[in-house]
Amino acid sequence: NAGVTQTPKFRILKIGQSMTLQCAQDMNHNYMYWYRQDPGMGLKLIYYSVGAGITDKGEVPNGYNVSRSTTEDFPLRLELAAPSQTSVYFCASSNSRDSVGYTFGSGTRLTVV
Amino acid sequence: GESVGLHLPTLSVQEGDNSIINCAYSNSASDYFIWYKQESGKGPQFIIDIRSNMDKRQGQRVTVLLNKTVKHLSLQIAATQPGDSAVYFCAENNRRGGADGLTFGKGTHLIIQP
Repeated sequence: NAGVTQTPKFRILKIGQSMTLQCAQDMNHNYMYWYRQDPGMGLKLIYYSVGAGITDKGEVPNGYNVSRSTTEDFPLRLELAAPSQTSVYFCASSNSRDSVGYTFGSGTRLTVV
Repeated sequence: GESVGLHLPTLSVQEGDNSIINCAYSNSASDYFIWYKQESGKGPQFIIDIRSNMDKRQGQRVTVLLNKTVKHLSLQIAATQPGDSAVYFCAENNRRGGADGLTFGKGTHLIIQP
């Protein structure tokens, strides 16, 4: 099993550009999450999904959008990149709300200049 | 402010010693806590979890203690090894306002001295 796969690993965007961060899991997990991690900080929840077709906002959703058309994929969309979105983005999945921890991807390091 | 916070941002211990990483939480309704280890350039990795109906749980070389009276969580690592060098995060489940997902603390950087 590959677990949670994130692409790309690194990306530099110009202000105002858009991009999609990809996340795929092969564990048939219903729950998926997007977090951002700023330097020296913990992770903050952007969006989450409890199953295909269902998404909800987390703590810091502004400037982002998500979709969940399949169980496996949970892409994160940045429409108008801003310097404040410079961060490391982690996708995670779990098989229930209270499962034994989450499985995290290796992250996407995004720089907006 | 942060619901989950850590007392020390950096902890340096000698190889072979035991280390204790502390965490305070403020949401008394949280019923599930997890410790994660994050190595440089990688995503967080699950270490151990504990539910609020327990006060201690042991894994391989790790023990988590939960004190609900003072809302304190700790991670004990026995006989630390160089591979234990990482940032350690505590996290609590977040049910406030119906939102899902975990709330993470800022992290403690554990440095193992040879």
